[in-house]
Amino acid sequence: DIQMTQSPSSLSASVGDRVTITCRTSQSISGYLNWYQQKPGKAPNLLIYAASNLQSGVPSRFSGSASGTDFTLTISSLQPEDFGTYYCQQSFGTPITFGQGTRLEI
Amino acid sequence: QVQLVESGGGVVQPGGSLRLSCAASGFTFITYGMHWVRQAPGKGLEWVTFIRYDGSNKDYADSVKGRFTISRDNSKNTLYLQMNSLRVEDTAVYYCAKDVHRQSRGDYFDSWGQGTLVTVSS
Repeated sequence: DIQMTQSPSSLSASVGDRVTITCRTSQSISGYLNWYQQKPGKAPNLLIYAASNLQSGVPSRFSGSASGTDFTLTISSLQPEDFGTYYCQQSFGTPITFGQGTRLEI
Repeated sequence: QVQLVESGGGVVQPGGSLRLSCAASGFTFITYGMHWVRQAPGKGLEWVTFIRYDGSNKDYADSVKGRFTISRDNSKNTLYLQMNSLRVEDTAVYYCAKDVHRQSRGDYFDSWGQGTLVTVSS
């Protein structure tokens, strides 16, 4: 199975901050990396697909990038509604696997 | 808009069975693969199973293989998950999720249901 390691596991930031979350995969996944945001008691919501593509309807302050087996989700200017837990997920091979999550507090 | 509504969760004893349903609307169900993803209380997300748009191909996580069966009724726009030989560690919120790609397997999810809680306890 492809292992996904997210860091940090949690962080606290202020409105307006630039926030970066990293996901490292145990092998090359050719950019098949997706990011989700989940708020308490709600289903996850797709933010970024294929490492750097913004899902329709997602604010442009969210962006994704890749370098080898390292993937980054960046929020350029944190907004109050961006709290929640963020998960990376690989869609390169089966079984589909997720990172352990990064809890973001504002 | 896309709507996915799960039902069928509840409390069941270890070794018991349960069948979950997911009613789909707002998209052409017959042309999209579907998944089940679960989340144990306070834990992260775990992919469970996939079914191709026409039901001809299915895939399972090792943790549920041989115990869970995914199926779909395209005439009713409904996805199912039959769960047998349930274990305490199967306790989770179960989400149905729509694959992004039409008539192919993309393995990521652009729509999710609200989830249904399955509790396995004696």
